[in-house]
Formats: sequence, C-alpha cells, structure tokens
Amino acid sequence: EAQVTQNPRYLITVTGKKLTVTCSQNMNHEYMSWYRQDPGLGLRQIYYSMNVEVTDKGDVPEGYKVSRKEKRNFPLILESPSPNQTSLYFCASSQKGNTEAFFGQGTRLTVV
Amino acid sequence: SQQGEEDPQALSIQEGENATMNCSYKTSINNLQWYRQNSGRGLVHLILIRSNEREKHSGRLRVTLDTSKKSSSLLITASRAADTASYFCATDDQGAQKLVFGQGTRLTINP
Repeated sequence: EAQVTQNPRYLITVTGKKLTVTCSQNMNHEYMSWYRQDPGLGLRQIYYSMNVEVTDKGDVPEGYKVSRKEKRNFPLILESPSPNQTSLYFCASSQKGNTEAFFGQGTRLTVV
Repeated sequence: SQQGEEDPQALSIQEGENATMNCSYKTSINNLQWYRQNSGRGLVHLILIRSNEREKHSGRLRVTLDTSKKSSSLLITASRAADTASYFCATDDQGAQKLVFGQGTRLTINP
C-alpha cells in the first residue's frame, strides 16, 4: 500500500530538548516536504527536498533542520524546540513538487 | 506566501444538498489541486486540474477552473455525512516546485 509514515503521532516535550520526527515513503517519490498546520494560518511549508542530498528552505524554516540521505526518508529535526513550535506537523511526498501529494497522518507536537 | 484562498471559511448544509467551495489565487499556475482533511488527520488528494482544462469530474466531485479570473470551484453533489471535513485548494507557482495551500473551507453535513 502506498503510504507516508510519520512517527511519532503525538509528542510532548520540554523546551530545548532535541527531537526528531521521522518520515518515510514507499512510493519512490523524488520530492518530500514538511508542513506545519496552525489554526488560522493553514499549512505552511517548512522545508522541502527535490531529491537525495538536495534540501531547501520553505516559508517557515527557522528552528528546524532536515536531511535527505536516502530517497525514502526525510526526518525533521528540532535542535532546541520552543513553545512556538507547538503545532501539527505533516510530511508529504510526491513525484514532483507540483504533482499529487501524499500526506502522512500527522504529528501533534506540544513543547512546554 | 499564501496563494490560494478558499471561500467560504465554513459551510453547513443538510445531507443530500450540494456543497460549493471556491478558491482564488494570485499568480499563474500549471495546475490546481483540491484536498480533503478529516479532523486532525493527513490531507487526502481529491482531484487535480491543469491550467489548460476548464472542468473535471470525479464521482460526486466537479471542479472548474477559470484562469482568467484566477479562481476554481469544487462542487460536491448529493452530500453525505462522511463528506464532513475541511477542504483545501493548492496551487503551484509556475516555475516553482512547490504547492501552496489556502486556509481551507470547513464543511459540515447535517444529517
């Protein structure tokens, strides 16, 4: 089954404690991206990757890092989380950046 | 940067009625897509319409695109309770390899 898998689904952490949210896709897609969704602000792109070892900033990259060492995986790293990063995060993959996107189930992150 | 803007922000109708949502955008596009999101879950792709297409159907969904007005509409016919969700349009900036989402329309179907 074609899918994008994110883990964990829920996470509560404390300010400053490094965390990683994993994302994996099984469709051999070249393009992967991370979004955050906040009430009233819609989905905003954090980072994207057009292929292995190619990553670039989206609209709200501050406070986040990503890596793309393998085609299937695209982890999101928060080196020092802050409360304003409390949000619902989605990973997505697609063949190209503007084609049909497949979304993971989301990670609800709370930073206290 | 926000490209698509949906209208209305919220819509509540009776089961069996048709639901229409609109999306306006600002720049030239290659395609426009519609997605559905059930509460707190991942977005699910519904339909993609290319800039050279004017109308597209998929089951009970009908999408129109007017590039001269930079707008699109999503019509759901014979609505069901299971259609209750938020609906987002997404556009691509011509030349940019990314999708930009609007803030969505929250649709409630009352039994």
